[in-house]
Amino acid sequence: EPEVTQTPSHQVTQMGQEVILRCVPISNHLYFYWYRQILGQKVEFLVSFYNNEISEKSEIFDDQFSVERPDGSNFTLKIRSTKLEDSAMYFCASSPGQGSYEQYFGPGTRLTVT
Amino acid sequence: LAKTTQPISMDSYEGQEVNITCSHNNIATNDYITWYQQFPSQGPRFIIQGYKTKVTNEVASLFIPADRKSSTLSLPRVSLSDTAVYYCLVGLGWTDKLIFGTGTRLQVFP
Repeated sequence: EPEVTQTPSHQVTQMGQEVILRCVPISNHLYFYWYRQILGQKVEFLVSFYNNEISEKSEIFDDQFSVERPDGSNFTLKIRSTKLEDSAMYFCASSPGQGSYEQYFGPGTRLTVT
Repeated sequence: LAKTTQPISMDSYEGQEVNITCSHNNIATNDYITWYQQFPSQGPRFIIQGYKTKVTNEVASLFIPADRKSSTLSLPRVSLSDTAVYYCLVGLGWTDKLIFGTGTRLQVFP
């Protein structure tokens, strides 16, 4: 069964540094997403991406964040100038079509900012 | 987006049927009802989706009454591996974002 993969599984960085979280969505999916989950809290939507552009973003997704699909398989989330409060699990997801509530999530990257 | 209310936690024993009810009084005509499952340190996983009446798949059943103001996720004969958080989501068909609430933490005991 195809699955979404994410690397690294755990990333430790110092405050102020930039990190890039990587995702490989399911190959025939067209819609890509990033969510985050702070420890013990809800899963929060960050951004959706389709046809090489952002289709929707939350208020969390400010200028500190950016997404990119640098090639035909990878989907990345860049976080600039990381803060302590950016520490969370970051989940990538993909879906085959728009408005689909069946999104396939990756295993997540645990980001720890020290 | 319709607000959802579900129990914070539930306990069950292996082999029992578990029913988790979600209230969504302000559900709109276009809204579908979707349930996700999340194991610790893993991403959420789609379980089932429905619009009205009953939907069944190999994992669960979803019961939706005629007024659609609530829905019930039914897990038949749970096992220890069904211990997870279960989320009820209700949203608009033209947005892609999933809005998760706090979910129901199901604990299955031997």
